[in-house]
Amino acid sequence: AQRVTQPEKLLSVFKGAPVELKCNYSYSGSPELFWYVQYSRQRLQLLLRHISRESIKGFTADLNKGETSFHLKKPFAQEEDSAMYYCALSASNTDKLIFGTGTRLQVFP
Amino acid sequence: EPEVTQTPSHQVTQMGQEVILRCVPISNHLYFYWYRQILGQKVEFLVSFYNNEISEKSEIFDDQFSVERPDGSNFTLKIRSTKLEDSAMYFCASSEGIQGILNEQYFGPGTRLTVT
Repeated sequence: AQRVTQPEKLLSVFKGAPVELKCNYSYSGSPELFWYVQYSRQRLQLLLRHISRESIKGFTADLNKGETSFHLKKPFAQEEDSAMYYCALSASNTDKLIFGTGTRLQVFP
Repeated sequence: EPEVTQTPSHQVTQMGQEVILRCVPISNHLYFYWYRQILGQKVEFLVSFYNNEISEKSEIFDDQFSVERPDGSNFTLKIRSTKLEDSAMYFCASSEGIQGILNEQYFGPGTRLTVT
């Protein structure tokens, strides 16, 4: 069965510190991985996806098939990065998204 | 920028009552989805819909649930006889396609359903 694990419920850092939000998945095929973000009082929105291999708002994520991970990283956190971050997987034969439980990132000034 | 809209934002209903949650997907999108998030838990897939048919549904989506696209713009989720455990935030999403960058799912703001 497909599964996404985000081990941290809460991650607190100071502004300017590096951030890594962990995501591990289980799926025997070739998944598509996403990071969605939900800022306070806003809707879920796509932050980035592994097939795009781009940096959005300074965030990057690399799919590591050997470790079945898709960790989200940013070298210098900003206060406006404070939000709920969800890792999600889409299997190759479906378009449904399977979400992790989410990690709340708090960036203190 | 076009957005997915959902009404109502909050619905309170008594156990056993029928509820209809409404969504207006982005106008040129062809694929529609419902997800739910019980408080403190993960966002869970309920159903996907394409070409006026359900294309996939989860185990949660039992006979009490149904979806419809009644008029070419609205996409509704009906729960026939609500249970306490149906209390959750329900999210509608839509996408332009399912391949490549077209498969980005755009989410609505959600409807909070409270069953008493």
